[in-house]
Amino acid sequence: RKEVEQDPGPFNVPEGATVAFNCTYSNSASQSFFWYRQDCRKEPKLLMSVYSSGNEDGRFTAQLNRASQYISLLIRDSKLSDSATYLCVVNQGGGYQKVTFGIGTKLQVIP
Amino acid sequence: DVKVTQSSRYLVKRTGEKVFLECVQDMDHENMFWYRQDPGLGLRLIYFSYDVKMKEKGDIPEGYSVSREKKERFSLILESASTNQTSMYLCATLRVASYEQYFGPGTRLTVT
Repeated sequence: RKEVEQDPGPFNVPEGATVAFNCTYSNSASQSFFWYRQDCRKEPKLLMSVYSSGNEDGRFTAQLNRASQYISLLIRDSKLSDSATYLCVVNQGGGYQKVTFGIGTKLQVIP
Repeated sequence: DVKVTQSSRYLVKRTGEKVFLECVQDMDHENMFWYRQDPGLGLRLIYFSYDVKMKEKGDIPEGYSVSREKKERFSLILESASTNQTSMYLCATLRVASYEQYFGPGTRLTVT
């Protein structure tokens, strides 16, 4: 089993739709969780951290379920500019900061 | 804002050449990373460094070495470039307080 698993997609959704991505992780000792956004041929950029209590940033909501070992990202009212690949990132912390990336989920928002 | 720069955006090298990829950060972060990113495989960790002159192998260190002589600079070295090292190489730093990573723009290396 991969340490971090994501559905690579692509998810093709119309403008204005709500779309959700999930990501599962295998190490129950993982300490911190993130969603990164990567545009085509660009570097990944932090979208948001994911907390146990859930967190929201505008149209984006992230959730963590430690019992089932998954994190989710919900995008409401999708915009064309949301088209990108969304990377799930899990950090086990500790002295050497072991960071594992998911393969990414590609989102294409269609007019 | 954290700034991470990489020496080249695009690089073409020949098989057998020694290749140096440079990464510089301006935020005094102790942890720095080198990844490669390939279609269908995602980001894979090559090496990371948690302090000057300290380094640890990542998941795919074969064929690579690194150098960290100064805190702000982390270099990736391909000792003898091969065609299977054609890839996008990404340097990153990590803010320990939040565990957030910051990436450079990447170097797209082609080995012919």
